[in-house]
Amino acid sequence: GAVVSQHPSWVICKSGTSVKIECRSLDFQATTMFWYRQFPKQSLMLMATSNEGSKATYEQGVEKDKFLINHASLTLSTLTVTSAHPEDSSFYICSARTRDSQTGSEKLFFGSGTQLSVL
Amino acid sequence: DAKTTQPTSMDCAEGRAANLPCNHSTISGNEYVYWYRQIHSQGPQYIIHGLKNNETNEMASLIITEDRKSSTLILPHATLRDTAVYYCIVRAVIQGAQKLVFGQGTRLTINP
Repeated sequence: GAVVSQHPSWVICKSGTSVKIECRSLDFQATTMFWYRQFPKQSLMLMATSNEGSKATYEQGVEKDKFLINHASLTLSTLTVTSAHPEDSSFYICSARTRDSQTGSEKLFFGSGTQLSVL
Repeated sequence: DAKTTQPTSMDCAEGRAANLPCNHSTISGNEYVYWYRQIHSQGPQYIIHGLKNNETNEMASLIITEDRKSSTLILPHATLRDTAVYYCIVRAVIQGAQKLVFGQGTRLTINP
C-alpha cells in the first residue's frame, strides 16, 4: 500500500512554544490530506482537511489560528501547534487520500502519528 | 452522513476466525464501507473496503449484506498481532468534502 511518513514520532515541548509536525506522501501525490487528533482511549477526531495550494478547512470547534496547516506541495502537509499548552497534549495523526483509477473509490493511508506532550 | 454501529469489544481465540460485525443502516447507494484497524499508539492501517460485492484481500474478507445495511469483517486465522481496535467507516460527505469520520470501533482481543 501507499506510504505516508509522519515526523516527528514524539515531541516534548514547553508551554508557550510552537511545534511543527510534517506529513509526507512518499510514493504518491496527495492533493488532500487530513489531520486527526486522538486522546487516550478515544477515537480519532478529524481536525481539518488540508488542500494543496489552498486554505485548509477546519472542523467546527478547531481554532485555525491555533493549528496552522500548510499544504505547499502535493507530497507535504504540515501542522503547527502554536503557543502550545498542556491541554494540547495528544496524539496527532495525518492521512493522505488516494483514488483508485479503475473504480473511483478512495482510500486513506495514515501516518504513524505524533505524540505531543506539552509541559 | 451514514453512521456505523459496532460492538465495543470482542474476544477471539488465536487461530480461529474473527468475525467483526458492523451496522450501517442509513448508508447511501454510492457510499463505500471501509475497515481500518489501529494498534496501540500507531496510525490506523487500511484493511479493506467495498461497495456492494464481497471483497477479499491478503488481510481479510468483507461480507456486505444484499441490502447493504450491515457488513462483517472476517480475519480468517487470527493471530496475537491482530489485537487492535477495528473501525468500520462509511465515507461521509460533509460540507461538500469527502471525509472519513471514525466511530468508537471494536476492541478485538486475540487470546492465546
